[in-house]
Amino acid sequence: DAGVIQSPRHEVTEMGQEVTLRCKPISGHDYLFWYRQTMMRGLELLIYFNNNVPIDDSGMPEDRFSAKMPNASFSTLKIQPSEPRDSAVYFCASSLRDWNNEQFFGPGTRLTVL
Amino acid sequence: EDQVTQSPEALRLQEGESSSLNCSYTVSGLRGLFWYRQDPGKGPEFLFTLYSAGEEKEKERLKATITKKESFLHITAPKPEDSATYLCAVQAVSNYQLIWGAGTKLIIKP
Repeated sequence: DAGVIQSPRHEVTEMGQEVTLRCKPISGHDYLFWYRQTMMRGLELLIYFNNNVPIDDSGMPEDRFSAKMPNASFSTLKIQPSEPRDSAVYFCASSLRDWNNEQFFGPGTRLTVL
Repeated sequence: EDQVTQSPEALRLQEGESSSLNCSYTVSGLRGLFWYRQDPGKGPEFLFTLYSAGEEKEKERLKATITKKESFLHITAPKPEDSATYLCAVQAVSNYQLIWGAGTKLIIKP
């Protein structure tokens, strides 16, 4: 398996633009997580899905952020409109069965909002 | 409030110089404590899960231990390739969300 795949790896955009981050989890994994990592706040869970259903989105910072998982092999995280404070590395991770099992992280998307 | 504190923030060692990283935690009922390794430009990589005080896990030069208040990641005779940021996270019984520490950046000099 190729592991968790994320795209794009780098994204530079201007304030106010829409940004869409994509994730393909490991085949067969039931759980998918979106994280944000910054120097100031470390690693933060934004939202997680179980069998394509959003379970907990309490970490989503505000209504500008939305996430979808239309099928077991694809998820998106959208920011609209983007702001400079959204600049961070966004990680997608997946895990098998029980959610506290080993989480496999993707390489991340480095987002810069100018 | 559930929280995780890792120390030191950074640690520089000579190759072969053993040491330990600390993860202090406060959680209302521990479901599990997790150690991950993160290399620059990459996502965290799972190392260990510890579930209760007294438990130990080993992998190559790494050994993780846990008490009711803290966990240690012991590194024996480290090599330059062990250089990375080591992250600790806890999961409470009452909440599935992982609470992450800020990490310890480990640098092993040849």
